[in-house]
Amino acid sequence: DGGITQSPKYLFRKEGQNVTLSCEQNLNHDAMYWYRQDPGQGLRLIYYSQIVNDFQKGDIAEGYSVSREKKESFPLTVTSAQKNPTAFYLCASNIDFNSGYTFGSGTRLTVV
Amino acid sequence: ILNVEQSPQSLHVQEGDSTNFTCSFPSSNFYALHWYRWETAKSPEALFVMTLNGDEKKKGRISATLNTKEGYSYLYIKGSQPEDSATYLCAFSGSRLTFGEGTQLTVNP
Repeated sequence: DGGITQSPKYLFRKEGQNVTLSCEQNLNHDAMYWYRQDPGQGLRLIYYSQIVNDFQKGDIAEGYSVSREKKESFPLTVTSAQKNPTAFYLCASNIDFNSGYTFGSGTRLTVV
Repeated sequence: ILNVEQSPQSLHVQEGDSTNFTCSFPSSNFYALHWYRWETAKSPEALFVMTLNGDEKKKGRISATLNTKEGYSYLYIKGSQPEDSATYLCAFSGSRLTFGEGTQLTVNP
């Protein structure tokens, strides 16, 4: 079955460390997205990519980086510059700009 | 950052009740309005993508309407069932998709 796989499901990071969240899709979707959810807030866009080797900052890109070397993969790195990284992170993809998104199951990142 | 507002924030209904939620969004630079259902411990699931003013879409007991001129969409659930318990998200598609905070629905048996 086609879908989006995010790993790991839970991730613990020490202060000052960079961590990378994985997002892989086998849906042949061109566009991929990273969102962050904090308690009491809606999903906020971190980065998005509409095509391989191209990506744009979303609303809260500071302290994050991404790459899009393959159509199937859109990893998100949470750097030590991200002041408050503890959150739930969701990856999504869609086939074109106005089609529904398919979401992964999320990664919960905790800074310890 | 665009403002997408959903109301109510949470809702408790009895099994069999019909219910509805509201999503308000900017009426300018509109491309599409999305509705998603997000059950606990699962991924958000797309319900509807609506693009035209006056659009009405239906999926089983769930339906949605769209008014782009005044910037609102309604989601209706007819005869709520416990399995409808979830957070319902709307998202406005301008240059990017912006989500509201969601309406958390609990259907009591």
